[in-house]
Amino acid sequence: QSALTQPASMSGSPGQSITISCTGTSSDIGGYNYVSWYQQHPGKAPKLMIYDVINRPSGVSNRFSGSKSGNTASLTISGLQAEDEADYYCSSYTTSSTLVFGGGTKLTVV
Amino acid sequence: EVQLLESGGGLVQPGGSLRLSCAASGFTFSNYAMSWVRQAPGKGLEWVSSIDDSGGNTYYADSVKGRFTISRDNSKNTVYLQMNSLRAEDTAVYYCAKGVGASRFKFDYWGQGTLVTVSS
Repeated sequence: QSALTQPASMSGSPGQSITISCTGTSSDIGGYNYVSWYQQHPGKAPKLMIYDVINRPSGVSNRFSGSKSGNTASLTISGLQAEDEADYYCSSYTTSSTLVFGGGTKLTVV
Repeated sequence: EVQLLESGGGLVQPGGSLRLSCAASGFTFSNYAMSWVRQAPGKGLEWVSSIDDSGGNTYYADSVKGRFTISRDNSKNTVYLQMNSLRAEDTAVYYCAKGVGASRFKFDYWGQGTLVTVSS
């Protein structure tokens, strides 16, 4: 199972909105509404930000939102803040009953 | 408060074995699937293995199938990962993660990780 495709890096200014894409296939993203997004700060464990494409866990800012179209899922962060600078990973359930992650996107807030 | 505490990592030679443990607290352990996810130094996340709430069903990534075994002891609130025939490419921080609800493919709590280094 190949990793999902994410841009390696992205950057934005405080207050801006940014959208991170995650591209898979019909065997993973396109086949199920089981896409999750995780935020990871350096040296820390990942944190769940979005699950089942669009759902936000309790305590996660509503500046984070998720969507999906075909084989591509997206994470949008609005009103960028310095604390949003981190690595972001998408994941999806697959037809093989496994889980696949994206390669990760390093977000810089400049 | 949910807590996941991994242990058992360390330095092991290629071909060797190691058993990781993850002690859970703060939730009804027997109601949730548990998983292991690893991260090689400077690299991304890789799902390794999952086990359902009863321990009756297990799932593995192709990269570890036949070498790693996941298990759990619900009486001890602990999940394990037995790693055999270790290779250099297994070097990573191994995270224990709790499933969201009945799901085994989304994780709402993670441990801080334990480092496994495979080297001669």
